Amino acid sequence: KAGVTQTPRYLIKTRGQQVTLSCSPISGHRSVSWYQQTPGQGLQFLFEYFSETQRNKGNFPGRFSGRQFSNSRSEMNVSTLELGDSALYLCASSLDQGTHEQYFGPGTRLTVT
Amino acid sequence: DAKTTQPTSMDCAEGRAANLPCNHSTISGNEYVYWYRQIHSQGPQYIIHGLKNNETNEMASLIITEDRKSSTLILPHATLRDTAVYYCIVRVAYNSGGSNYKLTFGKGTLLTVNP
Repeated sequence: KAGVTQTPRYLIKTRGQQVTLSCSPISGHRSVSWYQQTPGQGLQFLFEYFSETQRNKGNFPGRFSGRQFSNSRSEMNVSTLELGDSALYLCASSLDQGTHEQYFGPGTRLTVT
Repeated sequence: DAKTTQPTSMDCAEGRAANLPCNHSTISGNEYVYWYRQIHSQGPQYIIHGLKNNETNEMASLIITEDRKSSTLILPHATLRDTAVYYCIVRVAYNSGGSNYKLTFGKGTLLTVNP
């Protein structure tokens, strides 16, 4: 079975631009979560989607948004990029509600200049 | 979610068992203990989880004390590829309102396996 895939793997954007990151979960998995990892703050939860609905949200500004499609693929969008948004963005998928294991993708490395 | 405390770093000789401790003295009765690891520049990898009983899988063993206030992850025969940051996380499986897969990562323990 293929793992979680994220595209693109690397991205360079300019301050003020917007960006969309994509995540394809493991086949059959219905829950997708997003995390941001920076050297200063570590791994922080952004949001979680299940059955195309946002079920949980972390403490991030409204510039960070996401959505999930009927095939469980998910996208996250960051508008009006700031230098501090430079980070590794990780996506994780789980089979269903109540499943313990989360499987992470390799991440998208976003650099904002 | 209950707070966890882990040592910042540990060393282990290749081929020996690596024992990584985690304190979670405020754990609630319905909270599970999860272990993940992150090898440099990769996404975190699920290792194991447990509620009360000790657990073992192909990767590791998880020993939870009887009072559930601490646990130990054991890698029985550490290899150089086990060098990573290991995260101990405590949380409920999911809440009554639906899925709640939020994982709260701390600083973790950097395990360095030496040849």
